[in-house]
Amino acid sequence: AQKITQTQPGMFVQEKEAVTLDCTYDTSDPSYGLFWYKQPSSGEMIFLIYQGSYDQQNATEGRYSLNFQKARKSANLVISASQLGDSAMYFCAMREGVNYGQNFVFGPGTRLSVLP
Amino acid sequence: SAVISQKPSRDICQRGTSLTIQCQVDSQVTMMFWYRQQPGQSLTLIATANQGSEATYESGFVIDKFPISRPNLTFSTLTVSNMSPEDSSIYLCSVRANRAPYEQYFGPGTRLTVT
Repeated sequence: AQKITQTQPGMFVQEKEAVTLDCTYDTSDPSYGLFWYKQPSSGEMIFLIYQGSYDQQNATEGRYSLNFQKARKSANLVISASQLGDSAMYFCAMREGVNYGQNFVFGPGTRLSVLP
Repeated sequence: SAVISQKPSRDICQRGTSLTIQCQVDSQVTMMFWYRQQPGQSLTLIATANQGSEATYESGFVIDKFPISRPNLTFSTLTVSNMSPEDSSIYLCSVRANRAPYEQYFGPGTRLTVT
């Protein structure tokens, strides 16, 4: 079974609007971390935001926030006030285990296109 | 955060040849990872390289095809051997942060095209 599911292969959003990228995960380990990465067309992977399984509050980093719904096993990325530079692939990833000792598992990604 | 550089940034290689990719980190790190990203796909872990020990390969990847060196805490190489067009991918080096939440940082990648 897929550990990380991103059901939106592609998304479009108008510039300056907010967009939500979906991520659901599957784990039986009570200790895990969820990470979002951005990959522009240049290819580098840019770390955006992190949410720990025991964190009580949703993570926020500037225009990025994470809508963490633990019971539903979802960790959706919300980008507010989209900019043209946000056009990229976005990957959700999970690491399981105490001190996150396991390796990263990446989802299939969502390609976001921001329209002017 | 760690700054990671990779060489070469891209290459076009002939079938049957080998290419060695270098990864340099600006700080000492225990664990380094090599990933492959085939066109339009997500990242797949090839192997984990710890200094002073043999690399640990993931299912589907073997040392004869992807030999890895890790001579010190800031450097690693990945060789793609006896290349075929199916090896055309982006190869990314990655390191784990030394403290929580232990996020991973990635190099800029090496775009390999095999003809």
